[in-house]
Amino acid sequence: GQNIDQPTEMTATEGAIVQINCTYQTSGFNGLFWYQQHAGEAPTFLSYNVLDGLEEKGRFSSFLSRSKGYSYLLLKELQMKDSASYLCAVRDDSNYQLIWGAGTKLIIKP
Amino acid sequence: DGGITQSPKYLFRKEGQNVTLSCEQNLNHDAMYWYRQDPGQGLRLIYYSQIVNDFQKGDIAEGYSVSREKKESFPLTVTSAQKNPTAFYLCASSRGVRSNQPQHFGDGTRLSIL
Repeated sequence: GQNIDQPTEMTATEGAIVQINCTYQTSGFNGLFWYQQHAGEAPTFLSYNVLDGLEEKGRFSSFLSRSKGYSYLLLKELQMKDSASYLCAVRDDSNYQLIWGAGTKLIIKP
Repeated sequence: DGGITQSPKYLFRKEGQNVTLSCEQNLNHDAMYWYRQDPGQGLRLIYYSQIVNDFQKGDIAEGYSVSREKKESFPLTVTSAQKNPTAFYLCASSRGVRSNQPQHFGDGTRLSIL
């Protein structure tokens, strides 16, 4: 079966670093996407990994290990505006459609 | 500015009524998608379209219908056969289904039952 697991909720402090994990079991793999979604709004694209390793983009980085079926999103220098849900999605290589995790709600405290 | 426009933002459906959600994009993307988002669940694919006049069912197509008569437009009809339509509906587009480029989303339509 297809399954994407993320923690339901995490709490972190403004200015700190937080790591949001995503594990997946899918029949095929053709890339992993991270999106940010503020409550009631559209998801916005953060990062894409298709090869093993770390992709850095400003305060956000994303890591992928295909052999372990594992990815994480690292957020540095947390700001209050980073309070949102973070969605992990894996692209299935059979039909190229995205399989979505339920999302991790990140709460930032001052 | 280029983007995806969904309308209306809020929609109410009566029992036995069909309703249509609008999705328009000016990004010149070939592929378009409809997702449903429920609390505590991942996005679930309803329908997708790779090109004009072609579309495929996603995981939860029952009770929904779509059309793709123009590249820019991909309306979704929620029919009376969909017994639990209350959800947040998101439309997305991308350059192509196989493209490494990400999907871009509209602001969503929240559908409720009267």
